[in-house]
Amino acid sequence: EADIYQTPRYLVIGTGKKITLECSQTMGHDKMYWYQQDPGMELHLIHYSYGVNSTEKGDLSSESTVSRIRTEHFPLTLESARPSHTSQYLCASNEHRSPLHFGNGTRLTVT
Amino acid sequence: GQQVMQIPQYQHVQEGEDFTTYCNSSTTLSNIQWYKQRPGGHPVFLIQLVKSGEVKKQKRLTFQFGEAKKNSSLHITATQTTDVGTYFCAGPSTGNQFYFGTGTSLTVIP
Repeated sequence: EADIYQTPRYLVIGTGKKITLECSQTMGHDKMYWYQQDPGMELHLIHYSYGVNSTEKGDLSSESTVSRIRTEHFPLTLESARPSHTSQYLCASNEHRSPLHFGNGTRLTVT
Repeated sequence: GQQVMQIPQYQHVQEGEDFTTYCNSSTTLSNIQWYKQRPGGHPVFLIQLVKSGEVKKQKRLTFQFGEAKKNSSLHITATQTTDVGTYFCAGPSTGNQFYFGTGTSLTVIP
């Protein structure tokens, strides 16, 4: 099983709060990704990184930001959460075009 | 931008029936990957196809990559309840990030 960890697993917060979703991998992968997925729906790429200090936005417009200060760590931050941010957030990593390894996801509910 | 569509979006089958999902890309793909996501879980890698016209088998699952490398299919023979989940294809963009298909949700009725 791949070693990629996401915390928290579940999060319920109020509107306007700042939150950070954590993602860490121990495989030394250069590439990391954040996907947003509503239940039973497709995955939307919101951010990706090719290595330290490299971050790019994906196709889905997102009010979140990411950072990549260390290879193994790729946190996602929402400065002011809104109910429209309620979703599942999946972190993944890989090397070049090899298969993606996914974390277990964070299910976020904003009330 | 790149688009990867899958059909059907949903499929209900009786246990023992066959199932096929089709994946179509708006652009030529260097490779295509297939993933399975169980209800409440995360996507898990199944297989990667690289060559034009490639066919690979995993037990009851058969994967095919089209000659033009713009489409792919996954066929499951004699479905079982353990096959339940959503099947996604995914292809790399020119920038090497992966774009996932819209997914096909499979329900198997015992």
